[in-house]
Amino acid sequence: EADIYQTPRYLVIGTGKKITLECSQTMGHDKMYWYQQDPGMELHLIHYSYGVNSTEKGDLSSESTVSRIRTEHFPLTLESARPSHTSQYLCASSGSNRVHEQFFGPGTRLTVL
Amino acid sequence: LAKTTQPISMDSYEGQEVNITCSHNNIATNDYITWYQQFPSQGPRFIIQGYKTKVTNEVASLFIPADRKSSTLSLPRVSLSDTAVYYCLVGAFSGNTPLVFGKGTRLSVIA
Repeated sequence: EADIYQTPRYLVIGTGKKITLECSQTMGHDKMYWYQQDPGMELHLIHYSYGVNSTEKGDLSSESTVSRIRTEHFPLTLESARPSHTSQYLCASSGSNRVHEQFFGPGTRLTVL
Repeated sequence: LAKTTQPISMDSYEGQEVNITCSHNNIATNDYITWYQQFPSQGPRFIIQGYKTKVTNEVASLFIPADRKSSTLSLPRVSLSDTAVYYCLVGAFSGNTPLVFGKGTRLSVIA
């Protein structure tokens, strides 16, 4: 079944640790996105990709980095986690001709102590 | 990208029809209007999309006047499970410019 997956769903980690949030989709979508959202707050785009080997920064500045080596995979990495990175991270994807119809993963809730 | 303005919050009783209006005065000729729904602790879900006049699906209707400077999402006979944040987005149907979600409208349905 075509879907979009995120792991881990929950992560509690200490300051200074390197973390990678995984996102994979089986829909063959060429566009993928990472959003950051605090509880009850606005959804902010932090990274997006048009296709393999293309990545762009979103409207919210983020210390995280992303890579797009395979169409289906769009991992997000924090080299040194800080308490200010505590948030929910949502991954999404969309097809080339239907960019408005984004499909979202279940999200990763990150807590940095 | 066209800027959108929608109410921060709305309350409704169960069984009522709810209309959420979004203003997008600087919408471009090739822009479409899209609405998403987000429940707590979940990612947004695509509801409906339109370019002009009226679009209806099993979830909602979208009304767009001729000047396209606003749009109205209509939810018929809401239930408690329709309590969510609703986002109005405006942008080109294809291309590489990502959409901006904004703050959305927080709809609370009361029994």
